[in-house]
Amino acid sequence: GAVVSQHPSWVICKSGTSVKIECRSLDFQATTMFWYRQFPKQSLMLMATSNEGSKATYEQGVEKDKFLINHASLTLSTLTVTSAHPEDSSFYICSARGGASDTEAFFGQGTRLTVV
Amino acid sequence: RKEVEQDPGPFNVPEGATVAFNCTYSNSASQSFFWYRQDCRKEPKLLMSVYSSGNEDGRFTAQLNRASQYISLLIRDSKLSDSATYLCVVNGGLDSNYQLIWGAGTKLIIKP
Repeated sequence: GAVVSQHPSWVICKSGTSVKIECRSLDFQATTMFWYRQFPKQSLMLMATSNEGSKATYEQGVEKDKFLINHASLTLSTLTVTSAHPEDSSFYICSARGGASDTEAFFGQGTRLTVV
Repeated sequence: RKEVEQDPGPFNVPEGATVAFNCTYSNSASQSFFWYRQDCRKEPKLLMSVYSSGNEDGRFTAQLNRASQYISLLIRDSKLSDSATYLCVVNGGLDSNYQLIWGAGTKLIIKP
């Protein structure tokens, strides 16, 4: 399958700081990227959907000013958690989809964020 | 009613047995369907797409029933390594802006 690289795989940061997570599609052009959050023993929760060159669409309850998403190119999207708090500690996963809108998405390896 | 529903399990199954689970979806306009597998603390990985005519890949068989709006996954001759959470994913189609809608997953535990 297609390769999506997410970096970093884990990060520990202090409360109040910002953390940037990168998601790259390595062998295809990702017209759409998705950002998910997963708390322990829970399913993936979609945070936002972004299409290259346009503003991200956030799910209800997700603060767009706190979770900044940039999808500036067809191979890169970034999620910045601003002013992180301990409750933001979670597993963040990106996925990318290219080509037809009915195709599957491929996932990055995920980023385990711990805010202390 | 949730858009995509799965029995959370866990399904405890002896090694070598056959196990099947379903996933129901509410949007009749849904276009495409997938099964993903997620191991603990890892990202989901695509297991297989689900075609209208059914899809078989080795020990795994996926079926789509549009009339009853569900998809199924059958695992034959189960192995210890099949233990994971299986996530059903539905593409909502044009009405949903082609969003991928996730089930909560079915946990499968294969016991020796």
